Formats: sequence, C-alpha cells, structure tokens
Amino acid sequence: EAQVTQNPRYLITVTGKKLTVTCSQNMNHEYMSWYRQDPGLGLRQIYYSMNVEVTDKGDVPEGYKVSRKEKRNFPLILESPSPNQTSLYFCASSLKPGQAYNEQFFGPGTRLTVL
Amino acid sequence: GENVEQHPSTLSVQEGDSAVIKCTYSDSASNYFPWYKQELGKRPQLIIDIRSNVGEKKDQRIAVTLNKTAKHFSLHITETQPEDSAVYFCAASMGDYKLSFGAGTTVTVRA
Repeated sequence: EAQVTQNPRYLITVTGKKLTVTCSQNMNHEYMSWYRQDPGLGLRQIYYSMNVEVTDKGDVPEGYKVSRKEKRNFPLILESPSPNQTSLYFCASSLKPGQAYNEQFFGPGTRLTVL
Repeated sequence: GENVEQHPSTLSVQEGDSAVIKCTYSDSASNYFPWYKQELGKRPQLIIDIRSNVGEKKDQRIAVTLNKTAKHFSLHITETQPEDSAVYFCAASMGDYKLSFGAGTTVTVRA
C-alpha cells in the first residue's frame, strides 16, 4: 500500500530533551516536506527536500533540523524542544516537482507536546 | 515569500446548499493552487487543484476558479452533504514544491 508513515504518532516530552520524529514513504517520491499545524494558522512549512542530500528551509525552520540521507526517509529533529513547538506535525511527499500530477501525500500526523 | 489569505474561517450551510471559500495570494509568480480537505483527526487530502493556465476546473460537486489578474481563487461545493463537513485549506505554490497554505475554513453542513 502506497503511504507516508510517521512515528511516533503522539509524544509528550520536556523542554530541552532532544527528539526525532521519523517519516518514511514507499512511493519513490523525490520531494518530501515537514509542516506544522496550529489552530488559526493553517499548515506552515518547516523544511523541505527536493532529493537525497538536498534540503531547504520553509517558512518556520527555527528550532528544527532535517536530513535526507535516503530517498524514502526524512526525519525531523528537535535538538532542544521548547513549549512553543507544541503542535501537530505532518510529513508529506510528492513526485518530482514539475510533474503534471503533483499531489502531496500527507502522513497521519504526530501530535507533540513539550512541557 | 508567498502570503495566502483564506475567508471565511468558518462556514455553516444547510444540506443541499452551496458553499464558497475564497483565497487570495500575494506573489504573481505562483502558478499552482491546490485545495486540501482535512476531516476531524485525519490527514489533509487533495481534493482538487488548478494551474495558472486554467481559469476553472470542475470535479463532480466541487469546482475551483482562478482569477490571475486579481490574484484570487475560490472553491465551490454544490449540493452540500454531511460528509462535506471538514476543514478546507487552500494553498499556492511556485514550481509545485514550496506550498504556502491558507489558515483554513471549517465547513459545517447542517442536516
């Protein structure tokens, strides 16, 4: 089944404790992205990756890191989480940008609470 | 960067009536405009999209219109049904990769 998976789905942590949210897709998509969703603000892009070893900042990259060592995986790293990073996080992937059919497929989401 | 504004933030309609959601964008270079639907507790899913070389696109009960001159685009849902209740997001993009989303519209269809 073609899908984007994220782990964990729910996480409660404390300020300053490093964490990683994993994202994996099995559709051989070149493009992957991370978003955070907050009430009244919609979906805001954190980082995106056009291909392996190619990443770039989105609109709200502060406090986050990413890596793209393999095509299928795009982990989101919070080196020192703070309460303002409490949010619902979505990973998404799509075919090579510029293709005629370019739907972004979203993962199930990770609800993160930083105390 | 691109700024997308979406209105209204909430919309309540009687079943069978039409719903219209409007979005404006700031960057005239944007050329791809998708709409996503997010049901409660679920992930966003693409329902329709339009590119800047097309003025209107329709898929059964949903349609999207684009006015490049005014830099706005709209989602139209006709003959609304209870399953249309969800949050709808518009987005704009240049080059089909960096999407900027609107804040979302919560649509409630009253039976």
